[in-house]
Amino acid sequence: KAGVTQTPRYLIKTRGQQVTLSCSPISGHRSVSWYQQTPGQGLQFLFEYFSETQRNKGNFPGRFSGRQFSNSRSEMNVSTLELGDSALYLCASSLGGEPYNEQFFGPGTRLTVL
Amino acid sequence: AQSVTQLGSHVSVSEGALVLLRCNYSSSVPPYLFWYVQYPNQGLQLLLKYTTGATLVKGINGFEAEFKKSETSFHLTKPSAHMSDAAEYFCAVSGLSGGSYIPTFGRGTSLIVHP
Repeated sequence: KAGVTQTPRYLIKTRGQQVTLSCSPISGHRSVSWYQQTPGQGLQFLFEYFSETQRNKGNFPGRFSGRQFSNSRSEMNVSTLELGDSALYLCASSLGGEPYNEQFFGPGTRLTVL
Repeated sequence: AQSVTQLGSHVSVSEGALVLLRCNYSSSVPPYLFWYVQYPNQGLQLLLKYTTGATLVKGINGFEAEFKKSETSFHLTKPSAHMSDAAEYFCAVSGLSGGSYIPTFGRGTSLIVHP
């Protein structure tokens, strides 16, 4: 079974720009979650999508948004980029619905904002 | 609400020595606990998980963890460290939040293995 894939792997943007990151989950997984990972804050939950609906959301400003398509692929968008948005963005998929379902992570997209 | 505390942001051991990474959790309901490992430039990978039943859980790469309810702990151990174990380790607890189960991750512990 193919793992979780994320594109692009690396991205360099400047302040004020916007960016879209893509995630393809493991086949059959309906839940996709996004995390921001930084050295200072660790892993922070952004949002979770399940069957094209946002089911949960972390404490991030509205500049961070996402969506999920009917094939479970997901995208996240960050508008008006700030220097502090530089981070590794991780996508994770799971079967969803049960507390014991582990998450399967992609390799991440490293975003650098200049 | 649940939370996870990982004691020690860095742990340094010699190759062949015991590895002990500490994790304490807070949860208002019976917890589901996980340990993940992250190698450089990669995503997280599940090492092991505790759901119910046996409190000693065995995972991949020779790691195991013991769930101790009385101590609210889920420490990760490996009898003999290998150079390839050098990585970042994350403990997580799964809890219901806003209608779905979202894992809460600890801040991570970087394991350094000296030859």
